[in-house]
Amino acid sequence: QSALTQPASVSGSPGQSITISCTGTSSDVGGYDYVSWYQQHPGKAPKLMIYDVSNRPSGVSNRFSGSKSGNTASLTISGLQAEDEADYYCSSYTRTSFYVFGTGTKVTVL
Amino acid sequence: EVQLVQSGAEVKKPGESLKISCKGSGYSFTSYWIAWVRQMPGKGLEWMGLIYPGDSNTRYSPSFQGQVTISADKSNSAAYLQWSSLKASDTAMYYCAKAGRSGSGSPALDWGQGTLVTVSS
Repeated sequence: QSALTQPASVSGSPGQSITISCTGTSSDVGGYDYVSWYQQHPGKAPKLMIYDVSNRPSGVSNRFSGSKSGNTASLTISGLQAEDEADYYCSSYTRTSFYVFGTGTKVTVL
Repeated sequence: EVQLVQSGAEVKKPGESLKISCKGSGYSFTSYWIAWVRQMPGKGLEWMGLIYPGDSNTRYSPSFQGQVTISADKSNSAAYLQWSSLKASDTAMYYCAKAGRSGSGSPALDWGQGTLVTVSS
């Protein structure tokens, strides 16, 4: 199972919106509405930000939103803030009844 | 409050064995899968495998099948990740994570603090 493809880096200025893509196949992203997004600050454990494509866990800011079209899922961060600077990973359930992570995207707030 | 508390950092030599733990509390331990995730230095996250403590049903990523063993002890509310013969390439941070719900496709909602494993001669 190959990792899902994400851009290595995305940057934006405070207040702007950015979008991170996550491209898979019909055997993972395109086949299931079980895409999640995780935020990881340096030296910290990952944190679930979005699940089931577009749902936010309790306590996650509504500045984070998710969507999916075909084999590509996306995470949008609106009103970018300094605290959003982190690594972001998508993950999808797969045809083999397991999971796969994306390659990871480093978000920089300019 | 759900908590996953992992065992402490380990420094081992190549060829040695190791078993690290992840103890869950604040929820029904047998009702949600626990996964292990590897993060090599400066690299991304990798799902290694998961276990359903209720019946010890275990699934492994093809990349880790045969390389590690995942187990759980219901009486102790703990999951384990073990190696029989460590390699330098096993040097990494290892996280345990708990499913957010029962059933397939569940996201990993709760995470342990990570266990750093260093393998060096």
